[in-house]
Amino acid sequence: DVKVTQSSRYLVKRTGEKVFLECVQDMDHENMFWYRQDPGLGLRLIYFSYDVKMKEKGDIPEGYSVSREKKERFSLILESASTNQTSMYLCASSHPRQGGYEQYFGPGTRLTVT
Amino acid sequence: RKEVEQDPGPFNVPEGATVAFNCTYSNSASQSFFWYRQDCRKEPKLLMSVYSSGNEDGRFTAQLNRASQYISLLIRDSKLSDSATYLCVVNMNRYNTDKLIFGTGTRLQVFP
Repeated sequence: DVKVTQSSRYLVKRTGEKVFLECVQDMDHENMFWYRQDPGLGLRLIYFSYDVKMKEKGDIPEGYSVSREKKERFSLILESASTNQTSMYLCASSHPRQGGYEQYFGPGTRLTVT
Repeated sequence: RKEVEQDPGPFNVPEGATVAFNCTYSNSASQSFFWYRQDCRKEPKLLMSVYSSGNEDGRFTAQLNRASQYISLLIRDSKLSDSATYLCVVNMNRYNTDKLIFGTGTRLQVFP
């Protein structure tokens, strides 16, 4: 079974802190994604990566950056956390195939910024 | 207009009932379609893909209507364990990379 793990289930940080969220997948997937999920807004894509050291902005990249130094690991960085970044953060990975593909999600990190 | 729209519900149905959800998408260039299931406080997981010819997996039937740009999910003989949020998902090709667009979900609550 594909396994996607995230470094923390719950995280509380202060405004202005630098925050690192780590994601690791064990299925040699090329694609990795970071989403945030908020009530009434659904999952929104922050950044994605389709190869090592490659990254693309998603729909809401402002205030975030990412790093992919190894194929299995994709990190989301909040340079200076703000209260409006309080959310559930979900990492996903996939192996692309023609006609669409399945994304496998990690358990999520619930981040609270105070 | 949202790219993928769903009725948020909740749909409250008794065990054994049949329930149907619809979802509309705005971009006619969308390439493939899925239903994901998300249990409370859990991550989304793929329930089934949706094909133009329609497809069935046990009690679940998914259909796609490209002309009207909507997707449906039918659940027969509902079980308590079907209680969850069902996410309609559309695959867009952006930046030369496949990208999934998620609806906000339809919540189903099955009661005894």
